[in-house]
Amino acid sequence: GAGVSQSPSNKVTEKGKDVELRCDPISGHTALYWYRQSLGQGLEFLIYFQGNSAPDKSGLPSDRFSAERTGGSVSTLTIQRTQQEDSAVYLCASSLNGGGATNYEQYFGPGTRLTVT
Amino acid sequence: SQQGEEDPQALSIQEGENATMNCSYKTSINNLQWYRQNSGRGLVHLILIRSNEREKHSGRLRVTLDTSKKSSSLLITASRAADTASYFCATRTYSGAGSYQLTFGKGTKLSVIP
Repeated sequence: GAGVSQSPSNKVTEKGKDVELRCDPISGHTALYWYRQSLGQGLEFLIYFQGNSAPDKSGLPSDRFSAERTGGSVSTLTIQRTQQEDSAVYLCASSLNGGGATNYEQYFGPGTRLTVT
Repeated sequence: SQQGEEDPQALSIQEGENATMNCSYKTSINNLQWYRQNSGRGLVHLILIRSNEREKHSGRLRVTLDTSKKSSSLLITASRAADTASYFCATRTYSGAGSYQLTFGKGTKLSVIP
């Protein structure tokens, strides 16, 4: 079946503009995660959705970052008034479930490479 | 703060040799996972080891976990050029309100020379 997809694959924007990044998780996966990866670094957790609610927003770096998920499926990560330090690859992942002691493997999308000039 | 820290940061070996990567973490974990990333894009899940397990195998991969030392190792045997990638450990910890978080280290960049 189809994996996690993200769009756009690349985005170049001017400093101060807003951007929207989209994630389509695997059908039936209730948990969705956003991560950010700066050049040569590990993944930085941003936000986690279980269904349409976000029990964990602890990773959002500032109030310029927001995310929503509708219909328990597609999620959008919005960055307002982009800054150069926002340049990174933004990765989305989904899993069958996110909570509970039983772990479910996370499946990652290919990412969106954001460049703020 | 980083939960998982891998070492070495970079590793270069000849094809056919074994590659060992290590990961250390700081807090109690539910499980530890290893992921692989090619060309700075999406990650692929390799193997998961639970906190009550000490060793696990999957094909050419062998993972060990020492919870007393808060460390794990990933061994890739008989390496191939196609194993060239970055490898990340990730620890799953409870972050409250029924939510579990997966925290990644900075990764080990493995180069396998044909």
